Amino acid sequence: EAQVTQNPRYLITVTGKKLTVTCSQNMNHEYMSWYRQDPGLGLRQIYYSMNVEVTDKGDVPEGYKVSRKEKRNFPLILESPSPNQTSLYFCASRAGLTEAFFGQGTRLTVV
Amino acid sequence: AQKITQTQPGMFVQEKEAVTLDCTYDTSDQSYGLFWYKQPSSGEMIFLIYQGSYDEQNATEGRYSLNFQKARKSANLVISASQLGDSAMYFCAMREVASGSARQLTFGSGTQLTVLP
Repeated sequence: EAQVTQNPRYLITVTGKKLTVTCSQNMNHEYMSWYRQDPGLGLRQIYYSMNVEVTDKGDVPEGYKVSRKEKRNFPLILESPSPNQTSLYFCASRAGLTEAFFGQGTRLTVV
Repeated sequence: AQKITQTQPGMFVQEKEAVTLDCTYDTSDQSYGLFWYKQPSSGEMIFLIYQGSYDEQNATEGRYSLNFQKARKSANLVISASQLGDSAMYFCAMREVASGSARQLTFGSGTQLTVLP
């Protein structure tokens, strides 16, 4: 089954404690992205990757890091989380210019 | 300026009736794609329908159709014969191609649809 898998689904952490949200896709897609969703703002792109070892900033990259060492994986790293990074996070992948497949979402709370 | 505008924060519709969710967009690209996604209360993002800027016919997928009016820069989603399971948040999104922004989808702020029994 074609899917994008994020882990964990829910995470509560404390300010400053490094965390990683994993994302894996089994469709051999080249493009992968991370979005955050906040009420009234829709989804905003954090980082994207066009292929292995090729990443670039989206609209809201501050406070986040990513890596793309393998085609299937695109982890999101928060080196020092802060409360304003409390949000719902989505990983997405796509092959071309049409549909993006989204993961189930990760609800992160930073206290 | 916002690239995607959804002016209806919330909408109500009676079961079995049709409903139109509004979306206007702003781009100077000639080549772009328009998308609608559904987000139920469980949180996942479900792709509904896609319209390319060069597509001459309006896209349809089952009970979903996209009313594409290029000159007015609108891409409204029409849901026919609403069902209780259609209650969800609906997002309009755009991908611009020619300007080099093919990297991302730009989303509107969403419309919360509630279907009444």
